[in-house]
Amino acid sequence: ETGVTQTPRHLVMGMTNKKSLKCEQHLGHNAMYWYKQSAKKPLELMFVYNFKEQTENNSVPSRFSPECPNSSHLFLHLHTLQPEDSALYLCASSQDQGGNGYTFGSGTRLTVV
Amino acid sequence: RKEVEQDPGPFNVPEGATVAFNCTYSNSASQSFFWYRQDCRKEPKLLMSVYSSGNEDGRFTAQLNRASQYISLLIRDSKLSDSATYLCVVKLTGFKTIFGAGTRLFVKA
Repeated sequence: ETGVTQTPRHLVMGMTNKKSLKCEQHLGHNAMYWYKQSAKKPLELMFVYNFKEQTENNSVPSRFSPECPNSSHLFLHLHTLQPEDSALYLCASSQDQGGNGYTFGSGTRLTVV
Repeated sequence: RKEVEQDPGPFNVPEGATVAFNCTYSNSASQSFFWYRQDCRKEPKLLMSVYSSGNEDGRFTAQLNRASQYISLLIRDSKLSDSATYLCVVKLTGFKTIFGAGTRLFVKA
């Protein structure tokens, strides 16, 4: 496996469900990110972890709960989501603070029904 | 005012044309600048970093003007495969990065 891999690729969940998104990076980067991309909107930064310590939480509702057990793995736990949370959720990684750019995973397309 | 602003387009150009995109940013403390490319229903991919001295990668030329706070991307000899959304990205201090909403390009035969 190379780069940044995300699972699942697609997810449909009800508002009362609990699910988790998984991200793994094989690049030896120290920083990992969760971004949300809604239709016709810019990417929105949700969370940043550096060496598995959270450094940014961009006022994300508590129904989104990140977990970073180590520098290579990042999870996003979802519960009691709303239909407006339907979006593409992208994981990314970078070396240090991203001065050389970011590598994105292919994303999880989430639909909340 | 948006922190990073781009013309959403779409730009419709014939193959072989030269097309230019501009992007403006509001935070004068911005540190690094990038252009990313995003194909339909795919993840963004880094196209190139942008430097004040200007940089070129094949048919692509990027330029940064810090005084006017804008970034440009020039694509020469457009190919069908250049059709995508081009995202202007500005990195602030620390881990914060702002993405523009993107400019859509369609290259037609």
